[in-house]
Amino acid sequence: DAGVIQSPRHEVTEMGQEVTLRCKPISGHDYLFWYRQTMMRGLELLIYFNNNVPIDDSGMPEDRFSAKMPNASFSTLKIQPSEPRDSAVYFCASSPLDEQFFGPGTRLTVL
Amino acid sequence: DQQVKQNSPSLSVQEGRISILNCDYTNSMFDYFLWYKKYPAEGPTFLISISSIKDKNEDGRFTVFLNKSAKHLSLHIVPSQPGDSAVYFCAASDSGGSNYKLTFGKGTLLTVNP
Repeated sequence: DAGVIQSPRHEVTEMGQEVTLRCKPISGHDYLFWYRQTMMRGLELLIYFNNNVPIDDSGMPEDRFSAKMPNASFSTLKIQPSEPRDSAVYFCASSPLDEQFFGPGTRLTVL
Repeated sequence: DQQVKQNSPSLSVQEGRISILNCDYTNSMFDYFLWYKKYPAEGPTFLISISSIKDKNEDGRFTVFLNKSAKHLSLHIVPSQPGDSAVYFCAASDSGGSNYKLTFGKGTLLTVNP
């Protein structure tokens, strides 16, 4: 199994641009999570899905952030418009119920 | 407000000695606790967990201790090896044992010196 796949691994963009981060979970996992890691706040849960349905998006910082899961094998996290304070590492994780398996992360830099 | 706190940003130990990483939590509803290890440029990987009905769980060189009254848990690594050098995250869940929503601490960077 290839594990959780995230793309791109690195993204550099300018303030005001739209950013789309992508995630392919492990096949058969019913849960998908998006996290953000910063020095100040550590690892924060942004949103999670169960069977493609968003369950809890209380961690999404602002309306500029949105996440979708159109099918069991794909999810996106979109930031529009992006701001410098969005610079962070964004992780996607999937889970069959207990242990969460993390992808390698996307390092986002907003200039 | 941080519900899971790892007050030591870093820890350095000698190879072969014990590493003790600490974690405190404030939410009394947390009933399941996990430790994750993270190497640079990789995602966190699950290490060990403990349910609130236990006070100790052991897996090889790794042991997690839970003190519910103090809302404190610790991870012991004995003996420490250079390959253990990583960031360790403490995480907690109040989802009845299903860890589908985790609250993480900020992490502790462990350096094991040869």
